[in-house]
Amino acid sequence: DGGITQSPKYLFRKEGQNVTLSCEQNLNHDAMYWYRQDPGQGLRLIYYSQIVNDFQKGDIAEGYSVSREKKESFPLTVTSAQKNPTAFYLCASSIRAGGDEQFFGPGTRLTVL
Amino acid sequence: AQSVAQPEDQVNVAEGNPLTVKCTYSVSGNPYLFWYVQYPNRGLQFLLKYITGDNLVKGSYGFEAEFNKSQTSFHLKKPSALVSDSALYFCASRFSAYNNNDMRFGAGTRLTVKP
Repeated sequence: DGGITQSPKYLFRKEGQNVTLSCEQNLNHDAMYWYRQDPGQGLRLIYYSQIVNDFQKGDIAEGYSVSREKKESFPLTVTSAQKNPTAFYLCASSIRAGGDEQFFGPGTRLTVL
Repeated sequence: AQSVAQPEDQVNVAEGNPLTVKCTYSVSGNPYLFWYVQYPNRGLQFLLKYITGDNLVKGSYGFEAEFNKSQTSFHLKKPSALVSDSALYFCASRFSAYNNNDMRFGAGTRLTVKP
């Protein structure tokens, strides 16, 4: 899992609550990403950031929010507006925007009770 | 629209036999192609990539993949499978050298290597 850490590993949320997933990297990468993984599906992009203080919506951004105040940190908040938040969430980073491979964290499994 | 397909949900091979995990892509232009492996409840690990150059790409853990432009394929191969290769494999592609939002992942292929 390289130099990317995600916490917590497991997270349980009651309906109506917002929760924040942590993602930290010490690889000095400019770009960071959040993906959602559901069984039998590939990864889907939630948000991405090419540089500090900048981020863009991915394919399924509704009900999620992010911030990028520091190069090494890219936290994801799952809001109560996300209708089906139970999933495995993966954070990734790459050296820069472009055709480089992405390095993934170990993931956070979120379950809504 | 650009897309990646992994036509097999499941691949079963015997230990010591060669393995192939298939991937095809649909794009106009030149894609960047990747293979990742995922073990249970873990993140994805990068195996190899094709950007340009030699069509046969060698990666981690003895894996290799062949880029075939005429067949729009990028199949993952290994000459001799190990039980420890059992995992979920994802093919991915992107089509721009500048954007971060165009990485597309296949649905994944579960590889089971039996002793």
